[in-house]
Amino acid sequence: GAGVSQSPSNKVTEKGKDVELRCDPISGHTALYWYRQSLGQGLEFLIYFQGNSAPDKSGLPSDRFSAERTGGSVSTLTIQRTQQEDSAVYLCASRRQGGAEAFFGQGTRLTVV
Amino acid sequence: QKEVEQNSGPLSVPEGAIASLNCTYSDRGSQSFFWYRQYSGKSPELIMFIYSNGDKEDGRFTAQLNKASQYVSLLIRDSQPSDSATYLCAVKVGGGNKLTFGTGTQLKVEL
Repeated sequence: GAGVSQSPSNKVTEKGKDVELRCDPISGHTALYWYRQSLGQGLEFLIYFQGNSAPDKSGLPSDRFSAERTGGSVSTLTIQRTQQEDSAVYLCASRRQGGAEAFFGQGTRLTVV
Repeated sequence: QKEVEQNSGPLSVPEGAIASLNCTYSDRGSQSFFWYRQYSGKSPELIMFIYSNGDKEDGRFTAQLNKASQYVSLLIRDSQPSDSATYLCAVKVGGGNKLTFGTGTQLKVEL
């Protein structure tokens, strides 16, 4: 595709529910990142995928968070039993192998009520 | 100590002036440095990256890196109102994957 696509753009969910956020990276990009940005804050690293290598999960804040990347393309970030502190914009970025620039999607704004 | 530190601002400069944005980092193993611009409600977009000590210029933008002082800066010459945004500094350590971001500096260019 022309850019990194994320869906949904907005999600409101009740506390305790599970949510799935989707990221469709730029075609051919082997690296994929998930970040979280709370209001007025910087970007918090969550997880990184590179090709078929084991993902770097060092940024996931708790075991309620998980992510997968099927076929080296689309990625899904799942948050189980959502809490109010999970409310943030979740950003996905992709990068071609050897490239310097990570291209960001428009993000999913998650609100837990 | 935060891994990447930036003054949150806002930094206000008059149109046409030079805006100077600063960033310090804690990990001496850091090797790649990036400046992203983020408009309100939008996603970050890369402005410049720098790997080597010294200056790197691209149009009105100059990135400056001093690894001994663990300091990277971004200069914007002839600042325009359209430059008003939050500027995020990001650092990648060695061969690692994680891109660590600062909290950003808000720049306001006033007419």
